[in-house]
Amino acid sequence: AQSVTQPDIHITVSEGASLELRCNYSYGATPYLFWYVQSPGQGLQLLLKYLSGDTRVQGIKGFEAEFKRSQSSFNLRKPSVHWSDAAEYFCAVGGGSNYKLTFGKGTLLTVNP
Amino acid sequence: GAVVSQHPSRVICKSGTSVKIECRSLDFQATTMFWYRQFPKQSLMLMATSNEGSKATYEQGVEKDKFLINHASLTLSTLTVTSAHPEDSSFYICSAYQDSQYFGPGTRLLVL
Repeated sequence: AQSVTQPDIHITVSEGASLELRCNYSYGATPYLFWYVQSPGQGLQLLLKYLSGDTRVQGIKGFEAEFKRSQSSFNLRKPSVHWSDAAEYFCAVGGGSNYKLTFGKGTLLTVNP
Repeated sequence: GAVVSQHPSRVICKSGTSVKIECRSLDFQATTMFWYRQFPKQSLMLMATSNEGSKATYEQGVEKDKFLINHASLTLSTLTVTSAHPEDSSFYICSAYQDSQYFGPGTRLLVL
């Protein structure tokens, strides 16, 4: 069965600091990996995805992630965090013909001024 | 591109009534849509997969007679919560599949 672990429930960073959100997955085949962001009371917005090819992927809002098969990880990074990045971040894994995703429990990001 | 809408954004209803939530893909066609439920400060729980022109596939533990799903066109899926009770109060989110899942803004349901 597929699963996603986001080890950090809550992270606080200062505005302008760098950010790394961790994601580890378990999947029986080559995974499709996603990062979504959710603001309070809102739906999810796709930040970036890895389907195949280059293991470093660039997303919207200056986010990037790297797929590391040997570590079963897909960590999200941003060089300089903005106050507007404060939100809940979800990592998800999927694949196969049914397009279903399994989500991690999320990491809440707080940005201090 | 890849915009998904949901209607209503929030709804309050009395216990025992039914509530219909619509999910629309505005600028693309989606043969597959998904319905999720999210409890406060928790992750998304997949309820069912909605396939255009066929019956929905429900996840284990989700009552298909309580959560009726209809995917009558390539741009519209509906979720009807029948005989709603207070424990059905939640945030319901749909997604539509193109090359990835694109999510709607969610519907907050409160059953009194």
